[in-house]
Amino acid sequence: EVQVVESGGGLVQPGGFLRLSCVASGFTFSSYEMTWVRQAPGKGLDWVSYISSSGSTIYYTDSVKGRFTISRDNAKNSLYLQMNSLRAEDTAVYYCARAYVYYDSSGLKNDAFDIWGQGTMVTVSS
Amino acid sequence: QSVLTQPPSVSGAPGQRVTISCTGSSSNIGAGYDVHWYQQLPGKAPKLLIYGNSNRPSGVPDRFSVSKSGTSASLAITGLQAEDEADYYCQSYDTSLSGSWVFGGGTKLTVL
Repeated sequence: EVQVVESGGGLVQPGGFLRLSCVASGFTFSSYEMTWVRQAPGKGLDWVSYISSSGSTIYYTDSVKGRFTISRDNAKNSLYLQMNSLRAEDTAVYYCARAYVYYDSSGLKNDAFDIWGQGTMVTVSS
Repeated sequence: QSVLTQPPSVSGAPGQRVTISCTGSSSNIGAGYDVHWYQQLPGKAPKLLIYGNSNRPSGVPDRFSVSKSGTSASLAITGLQAEDEADYYCQSYDTSLSGSWVFGGGTKLTVL
């Protein structure tokens, strides 16, 4: 079965840190770009970070730049999100998702997030 | 404020057709990037529903279809069923920032 499973969430104080993990199975992890998406309680989906299949290209949403670090270990089929200097507004369910990449007729690269984990809850509160 | 704009809620009776709009700009949908749609059932993780030009992952019924024009896209659901009650999100890529995937704010579909 193709799946990704997140772990590492929990309760942390403002200014603290957490490391989220995502283990993939059922597909060739090293061939896929991966992403983290979060969802604050009662709110919508919010893209957080992206990493290319080799790990050489990385992007972050502005609100986490300088605080979060995405990484991957293809030998362990694992994706990580190191979250430092956590703030109350980082409280959310964090989802790991696989990016399905394809090119349209004009050659434009598109990414659809086709496999999602069940999510791991991060609560930042004193 | 989401980069892609969706109506907060829509509703319809069983068997009816509903549409959910997703309005972007020249830096995302208008730039030619495809729009993808996700369904999130209550208490569950999001699930890819349709990507690009009505490409449906295995198991997604053809009651779900999409259209796109200019800076907007729409998801249509025909033959509405109680199990369709969920939150729906559109997603695309935005060129205004380097590496930026964007979502709509989500639309709650209520089956009356």
